Amino acid sequence: SQQGEEDPQALSIQEGENATMNCSYKTSINNLQWYRQNSGRGLVHLILIRSNEREKHSGRLRVTLDTSKKSSSLLITASRAADTASYFCATDDGNNRLAFGKGNQVVVIP
Amino acid sequence: DVKVTQSSRYLVKRTGEKVFLECVQDMDHENMFWYRQDPGLGLRLIYFSYDVKMKEKGDIPEGYSVSREKKERFSLILESASTNQTSMYLCASSGHGDGGQFFGPGTRLTVL
Repeated sequence: SQQGEEDPQALSIQEGENATMNCSYKTSINNLQWYRQNSGRGLVHLILIRSNEREKHSGRLRVTLDTSKKSSSLLITASRAADTASYFCATDDGNNRLAFGKGNQVVVIP
Repeated sequence: DVKVTQSSRYLVKRTGEKVFLECVQDMDHENMFWYRQDPGLGLRLIYFSYDVKMKEKGDIPEGYSVSREKKERFSLILESASTNQTSMYLCASSGHGDGGQFFGPGTRLTVL
């Protein structure tokens, strides 16, 4: 199965700065999703973008999708210490099963 | 508040033991999933289920089986636990629409 790959793998920023993560994938998708995982916990769904959408916003989150380049980006604006977590992209090929990337560790320094 | 619960947060078992990991969701979701998460490997799908008594193999089903007798409950079974099954196990459920998958808190299993 295909798999998203996040880049960069680890990111350390100051509180108030923006954090940007990228995700690439290999085959066609129905939608792409981003999840957050706090240390040692389950994942929390953040946002879903469909293959016919180019950009989506949710609060301080902005997701873009470029299907021609098979890539997506997640932007967190005005980061907070509570945003410290691992972020995963996951692709859905239309069969309800997700293929996850390896994750991207973000540390927000107060 | 929607919820996916898993029977244990931490579990320690011995090699060769039969292990049951239980997952319950209260959202009336059709789809349920079991993943394992290992450092450097991300989340890998073990099994999933689209309906009661239905199951489908994921990417790494070897050494595992599942049971879904009721819609809200999805069990992962390790018939004979081995040390390479030491991992974090995550259960998830999903319904229709754009809500994504809802995850439980995870069970950290150690096999000695």
